[in-house]
Amino acid sequence: GQNIDQPTEMTATEGAIVQINCTYQTSGFNGLFWYQQHAGEAPTFLSYNVLDGLEEKGRFSSFLSRSKGYSYLLLKELQMKDSASYLCAVVDSNYQLIWGAGTKLIIKP
Amino acid sequence: DAMVIQNPRYQVTQFGKPVTLSCSQTLNHNVMYWYQQKSSQAPKLLFHYYDKDFNNEADTPDNFQSRRPNTSFCFLDIRSPGLGDAAMYLCATSRDPTGGYEQYFGPGTRLTVT
Repeated sequence: GQNIDQPTEMTATEGAIVQINCTYQTSGFNGLFWYQQHAGEAPTFLSYNVLDGLEEKGRFSSFLSRSKGYSYLLLKELQMKDSASYLCAVVDSNYQLIWGAGTKLIIKP
Repeated sequence: DAMVIQNPRYQVTQFGKPVTLSCSQTLNHNVMYWYQQKSSQAPKLLFHYYDKDFNNEADTPDNFQSRRPNTSFCFLDIRSPGLGDAAMYLCATSRDPTGGYEQYFGPGTRLTVT
């Protein structure tokens, strides 16, 4: 079966750095997305990785290791508005998007 | 601004009473998706359309139907809603179903079944 694993919940302090991990076992791989979802709202696109390495976009960076089936999302200089769920999603060999259940990030002052 | 619009934002229906949710897009994307998402769960894909080609996920209940009359609009019909169908329904679009094209989501319709 296909599986995406993320921690259910994480807590971090405003101004700090947090790393949200995602491991996957899928039938094939055609890229990995990270989405942000605030409570009661729709997911919004954060990043896409298809090759190994780090992609940096402002305060957010995403890393991929295809050989390890592993990705992480790194959030720097945390702000209260970063409190949200972060969903990892993998495109499999059939170009189906396999979603993780998301990691709820709680930011404390 | 180009966007994905869903109506209504909140829908209350009675057990067994048919309901239709609508989605429109101004992005001119080829692909439209319907997802069901329950609290703290991953979005579950119900259907997607690539142009006019309809794709039904294997585990989508027969109670759910979809229509895409043109590029811009897509509808989700729930023929006989049960209490277990209470959820957020998300419509999304993408330029192409392959590779690195991100999905753009509408704000969702929260369905309550009484």
